[in-house]
Amino acid sequence: DVKVTQSSRYLVKRTGEKVFLECVQDMDHENMFWYRQDPGLGLRLIYFSYDVKMKEKGDIPEGYSVSREKKERFSLILESASTNQTSMYLCASSLPGSDTQYFGPGTRLTVL
Amino acid sequence: KQEVTQIPAALSVPEGENLVLNCSFTDSAIYNLQWFRQDPGKGLTSLLLIQSSQREQTSGRLNASLDKSSGRSTLYIAASQPGDSATYLCAVRPGSGNTGKLIFGQGTTLQVKP
Repeated sequence: DVKVTQSSRYLVKRTGEKVFLECVQDMDHENMFWYRQDPGLGLRLIYFSYDVKMKEKGDIPEGYSVSREKKERFSLILESASTNQTSMYLCASSLPGSDTQYFGPGTRLTVL
Repeated sequence: KQEVTQIPAALSVPEGENLVLNCSFTDSAIYNLQWFRQDPGKGLTSLLLIQSSQREQTSGRLNASLDKSSGRSTLYIAASQPGDSATYLCAVRPGSGNTGKLIFGQGTTLQVKP
């Protein structure tokens, strides 16, 4: 079974803090994705990566950065957290050319 | 720019009813369309995937149809059960689609009452 894990299920941070969200997959997938999910807006793609050290901006990259130093790990970084970044963050992975993305359970981040 | 819309946002039905969830998209140049299920506080699970050349896909009590020209897809759930209660999302992969990038609708939250 493909497993995508995220470092925290719930996280509370203060405005201005630097926040790291970690995602690890165990299926040697090249593709990894970070989404945020907000009520009424669905999932929106923040960043994605097709290989180690490779990244591309999604639809809403502002205020975020990513790191992919190892194939199995894709980190989302909030350089200076703001209250409008309070959201559910979902990580996913897939094989190249595959339409099947495997999702992690999500991290619900609250920024106070 | 591709936009995906799901209506209604929420739906409540009695157990045993057949129901239809709707998904529409603005650009018919899609590579494929998927329907996902999301249980509360959980990630997404893919239910059905329809390639752009296909008209429908079936899995058990679920049937998804695709009408590319009109920009619509439906997910039909037969004989609904309380265990079907979840949020259902559709997502399209754009036609330029080598990237694997998906564009999601807002989701329909379904409650099936015993």
